[in-house]
Amino acid sequence: QSALTQPPSASGSPGQSVTISCTGTSSDVGGYNYVSWYQQHPGKAPKLMIYEVSKRPSGVPDRFSGSKSDNTASLTVSGLQPEDEADYYCSSYAGSNNGVFGGGTKLTVL
Amino acid sequence: QVQLQESGPGLVKPSGTLSLTCAVSGGSINDRGWWSWVRQPPGKGLEWLGEISPSGTANYKPSLTSRVTISIDKSKNHLFLNLRSVTAADTAVYYCVRGGWSKFDTWGQGTLVAVSS
Repeated sequence: QSALTQPPSASGSPGQSVTISCTGTSSDVGGYNYVSWYQQHPGKAPKLMIYEVSKRPSGVPDRFSGSKSDNTASLTVSGLQPEDEADYYCSSYAGSNNGVFGGGTKLTVL
Repeated sequence: QVQLQESGPGLVKPSGTLSLTCAVSGGSINDRGWWSWVRQPPGKGLEWLGEISPSGTANYKPSLTSRVTISIDKSKNHLFLNLRSVTAADTAVYYCVRGGWSKFDTWGQGTLVAVSS
């Protein structure tokens, strides 16, 4: 199972919006609505930000949103804030009790 | 709210066995469908190792099936990871996680395990 493809980096100024993509195949992202997104600050554990493509856990700001089109999922962060600077990882179920993570995207708030 | 705490040796010799324990507090292992182990090599991305249900059904990453075992002790509310025949490539921060592929919703703080002689 190959890792999902994410851009290594993304950036935006405070207040702007940024979208991070996560590209897989019809066997993972395109085949199931089990795409999640995780935020990880340096030295910290990942935190669930989006699950089942577009659902937000309680406590996650509505500035974070998720979507999917065909084999590509996307995480959009609107109204960027300095604390949004972190690494972001996507994941997807891939069938047969298995799944895969993306390689991660480093988001920089300029 | 549920909290997860990993523990175990921080250093394992090559060809040895990496053994970690995850203590679940603030909730019961019976409360959720799946509990997982995820690792992250220094400076790299996340890698799922496997998952286990409260009934003891386990699923593993296909490339690790021959080396990994995940188990639970519901009486102690503990989750366990055993990884055999380790090499330097197994050096990583190991996370205990509540959830499966629908969502990994609660993560332990992680524990760094180095493989070195």
